Amino acid sequence: AQSVTQLDSHVSVSEGTPVLLRCNYSSSYSPSLFWYVQHPNKGLQLLLKYTSAATLVKGINGFEAEFKKSETSFHLTKPSAHMSDAAEYFCVVSDPYSGGYNKLIFGAGTRLAVHP
Amino acid sequence: EAQVTQNPRYLITVTGKKLTVTCSQNMNHEYMSWYRQDPGLGLRQIYYSMNVEVTDKGDVPEGYKVSRKEKRNFPLILESPSPNQTSLYFCASSPVGVGSYEQYFGPGTRLTVT
Repeated sequence: AQSVTQLDSHVSVSEGTPVLLRCNYSSSYSPSLFWYVQHPNKGLQLLLKYTSAATLVKGINGFEAEFKKSETSFHLTKPSAHMSDAAEYFCVVSDPYSGGYNKLIFGAGTRLAVHP
Repeated sequence: EAQVTQNPRYLITVTGKKLTVTCSQNMNHEYMSWYRQDPGLGLRQIYYSMNVEVTDKGDVPEGYKVSRKEKRNFPLILESPSPNQTSLYFCASSPVGVGSYEQYFGPGTRLTVT
């Protein structure tokens, strides 16, 4: 069965410093992986996705993630945090064999705080 | 503008009073799904639909119903809401096809059942 573990429930950084949000996954198949962001009182927005092409995936707003099969990880990074990055981030794996083939399995979320 | 819309955005109701949360998408997507979001649990799938008149249960379907009579609409029905259904609900849609796993989410409906 597919699963996702986000290793930190809260991360706090200073503006201008790097961001690292950690995600490990478990999958019996070659996975599709996503990072979604949820700003306060907003819906979910796709940051980036990995679908078995390049292992380093670039997303919106300067975020990127690297797929490491040997470590079953898909960590999200950004070189320099901005105040507007404060939000909740979800690591997600797609399960192609349940939920009508397109079921998304979410991690519990990481809340990112950015301090001046 | 391509989007998924939900109504209402906020709803406070009492135990046992039937309610419907509407979901509509304008992207001609075949696949639609409902999720609930609870603190520390991420989002969990309630029901999904592969196309018109084709629906099936997700991980947490108890207490919910859905229907898919038109491609664009996928309402979520709570026939007899209970306090444990207090949650934030999201509707999502996506195309069907190889590699088309990205889902587009609505803005969410915050439901409180007292």
